[in-house]
Amino acid sequence: ETGVTQTPRHLVMGMTNKKSLKCEQHLGHNAMYWYKQSAKKPLELMFVYSLEERVENNSVPSRFSPECPNSSHLFLHLHTLQPEDSALYLCASSQGGQDIFSGANVLTFGAGSRLTVL
Amino acid sequence: AQKITQTQPGMFVQEKEAVTLDCTYDTSDPSYGLFWYKQPSSGEMIFLIYQGSYDQQNATEGRYSLNFQKARKSANLVISASQLGDSAMYFCAMSPPVSGNTPLVFGKGTRLSVIA
Repeated sequence: ETGVTQTPRHLVMGMTNKKSLKCEQHLGHNAMYWYKQSAKKPLELMFVYSLEERVENNSVPSRFSPECPNSSHLFLHLHTLQPEDSALYLCASSQGGQDIFSGANVLTFGAGSRLTVL
Repeated sequence: AQKITQTQPGMFVQEKEAVTLDCTYDTSDPSYGLFWYKQPSSGEMIFLIYQGSYDQQNATEGRYSLNFQKARKSANLVISASQLGDSAMYFCAMSPPVSGNTPLVFGKGTRLSVIA
């Protein structure tokens, strides 16, 4: 399998449930990202992991908990979510270490996990 | 802080015609990168084209070209010979020049509909 794979593709959960989103990349990249895409809003960066260490957390509520056990896998653990957390959650990976002069840091995205919180 | 503005929520184009999707940006960095992504209804974001701020020529990738006007801070995407499969959301994005795993900042997107 190639590219970035996200599971599940669709998830419906109640506000008291605990669930996890999984992302796996087969590109040999060293960085992984979680983005949130809500209706009529720009993509919002949630977390960035570089070489399995979290380097950025854009003030995301603690009910979202990321985990990056190795450079190929990224999880987003969900608990006590709110209805406004319903969105498409996109995972991406990239090969860092480049700048704009040597090449673009192109992010490769998965197809997303569409989350509905009831 | 960097900001991307896409002023066209939706666009229609006749099949086989060309279409331009607008993107303006704001940054205080002297160097940066600009990207366009396509998101079909399946949800996956597909990378289309990249332009570095110091690139002298406009980027081209097949039917896609980026009309880069640095002084106006615009990076419009031109799609030539539109196809029905081009119907999708299109996002403009930018990155700062710092090397490493720099996340992209995205605009709100433009929904393109290609009409037969």
